[in-house]
Amino acid sequence: AQKVTQAQTEISVVEKEDVTLDCVYETRDTTYYLFWYKQPPSGELVFLIRRNSFDEQNEISGRYSWNFQKSTSSFNFTITASQVVDSAVYFCALSVPGSWGKLQFGAGTQVVVTP
Amino acid sequence: DTEVTQTPKHLVMGMTNKKSLKCEQHMGHRAMYWYKQKAKKPPELMFVYSYEKLSINESVPSRFSPECPNSSLLNLHLHALQPEDSALYLCASSHGLAGEQYFGPGTRLTVT
Repeated sequence: AQKVTQAQTEISVVEKEDVTLDCVYETRDTTYYLFWYKQPPSGELVFLIRRNSFDEQNEISGRYSWNFQKSTSSFNFTITASQVVDSAVYFCALSVPGSWGKLQFGAGTQVVVTP
Repeated sequence: DTEVTQTPKHLVMGMTNKKSLKCEQHMGHRAMYWYKQKAKKPPELMFVYSYEKLSINESVPSRFSPECPNSSLLNLHLHALQPEDSALYLCASSHGLAGEQYFGPGTRLTVT
């Protein structure tokens, strides 16, 4: 069975501060896929990144960066120089082959950015 | 274009009503999904369609009936719902079952 843990329920920061969201996953599969999604108050889940288990390269996209460490089963997400528009719930998710695409979501982390 | 559309945006229905939620994508994706999301919770998978065939039904009550008329459309037929079925219903699609899923804006359903 797969499990994703996002231990931080809510993080509040002031604009321009950096914020790091933790994601720890559990799976026995050697092949798996990790995702991050953003859900603003409007409700739509926005895809941010997909990583497969064989690609441990960290990634940077603008103010977003991701740190994938298989040794600690973690896939953390950092927002640099946060902005008010970053206020949202962020979900980390995991899927494995043979599960028909089923995403195992973490509980989500609410990020609140104040001006 | 990574757009998934859903109609209606909001729906209020009584427990004896029959209604349908609609989802459409034009990305050529062959996998489509229905999720249910309660407030302050992550989305929960309900159904998966792959190549227009139902692949997963996550033990969803029969008052929810999915339909995939073609590769671009996904419907969710609702009948005799309960107030606890009130939630945000999200549709998603992906190129393959291992790929990233793109979500629609959702339908906020209230059952009275």
